[in-house]
Amino acid sequence: KQEVTQIPAALSVPEGENLVLNCSFTDSAIYNLQWFRQDPGKGLTSLLLIQSSQREQTSGRLNASLDKSSGRSTLYIAASQPGDSATYLCGIIGGKFQFGAGTQVVVTP
Amino acid sequence: EAEVAQSPRYKITEKSQAVAFWCDPISGHATLYWYRQILGQGPELLVQFQDESVVDDSQLPKDRFSAERLKGVDSTLKIQPAELGDSAMYLCASSLELADYNEQFFGPGTRLTVL
Repeated sequence: KQEVTQIPAALSVPEGENLVLNCSFTDSAIYNLQWFRQDPGKGLTSLLLIQSSQREQTSGRLNASLDKSSGRSTLYIAASQPGDSATYLCGIIGGKFQFGAGTQVVVTP
Repeated sequence: EAEVAQSPRYKITEKSQAVAFWCDPISGHATLYWYRQILGQGPELLVQFQDESVVDDSQLPKDRFSAERLKGVDSTLKIQPAELGDSAMYLCASSLELADYNEQFFGPGTRLTVL
């Protein structure tokens, strides 16, 4: 069974610092990996989708990498802003969609 | 911009009552998913539809939960009777096709509180 882990569970950084969020998975036979943002009490907003054949994907200040052999994906957010405060979840498709519990991020002004 | 619609946004009910949630996916999306998210955890897949057919309902507690997508467009998830442990956020998502590389888009969710 696929296990998805996101460490740390919570993270606080000052505004302007780069954010590094980690997602680990146990089964490398995945189809794709999707990063989401979730604000309190809200649904999930898709940030980036990385297909299994890709190594990374970029959108604006966001960059996500995928290393299937080591079972890891990393989401980088450059020059963090208070508006980046949210919970970030990774979701993996490999048979069925499996989510991590998320990393709660607080960016302080 | 096209969005997944869900209603109601909030629902408070008493134990043993019946509740129903509605989802309207992005137009043209063939695949629809229902998830349950307990506070502090990631979403857990309950049921997946391809058009009007159930693809995966292995995690759906079928003794009390039911889901349908009769015309292959919008969908209803029902709980009868509701239990205290059903308090959670219920999320609906859709994707263009069943293919595994397709991006999923989520609705705003329904927050259920069972008293």
